[in-house]
Amino acid sequence: AQSVTQLDSQVPVFEEAPVELRCNYSSSVSVYLFWYVQYPNQGLQLLLKYLSGSTLVESINGFEAEFNKSQTSFHLRKPSVHISDTAEYFCAGLNYGGSQGNLIFGKGTKLSVKP
Amino acid sequence: DTGVSQDPRHKITKRGQNVTFRCDPISEHNRLYWYRQTLGQGPEFLTYFQNEAQLEKSRLLSDRFSAERPKGSFSTLEIQRTEQGDSAMYLCASSFSSGRYNEQFFGPGTRLTVL
Repeated sequence: AQSVTQLDSQVPVFEEAPVELRCNYSSSVSVYLFWYVQYPNQGLQLLLKYLSGSTLVESINGFEAEFNKSQTSFHLRKPSVHISDTAEYFCAGLNYGGSQGNLIFGKGTKLSVKP
Repeated sequence: DTGVSQDPRHKITKRGQNVTFRCDPISEHNRLYWYRQTLGQGPEFLTYFQNEAQLEKSRLLSDRFSAERPKGSFSTLEIQRTEQGDSAMYLCASSFSSGRYNEQFFGPGTRLTVL
């Protein structure tokens, strides 16, 4: 089955600590992978994407994710989090089983940054 | 603001009533997607339009659901005879087709509560 798995539903962390949000994808999902962030009462925003090329991709606000084909993973990391990073994070893959590439999402990880 | 907009943002209805949601995509985008997000889950694909043509529906889209995009611009999603299980956030996304990958931009969603 085509799937994206986020292993942690909630991740509490203190401010300025490092964080890793884990994501694994099934081999039947395309290797176009994404991380979206959803702040309270807002829509999904694209945080970063892997399409091809360098396996390490970065966002403008300090997050990075590494595509690992052998482990079918696309974990999201940040070396030092801020209170403002508190949000829900969704990993997604582009589904080429369908005709036009709808996204397959994981269940989400709620990141809670505490002072 | 030229992002994806959705109306209404919140809808409370009684079981058995019909509801209709509207999505206005980014103006130059020819692709429009509907997703449903239930509590504790990531968004799940419902249906997709390219211009005015509805090209794909998921198995989640029962016969009580109908979506239209009459002029290839805004789209409506109607749910007839609502059930409590229809309670969810309904998300709309749009993109411009260009090659194999097209970034999807999401609206803020319509939260439906069926009493």
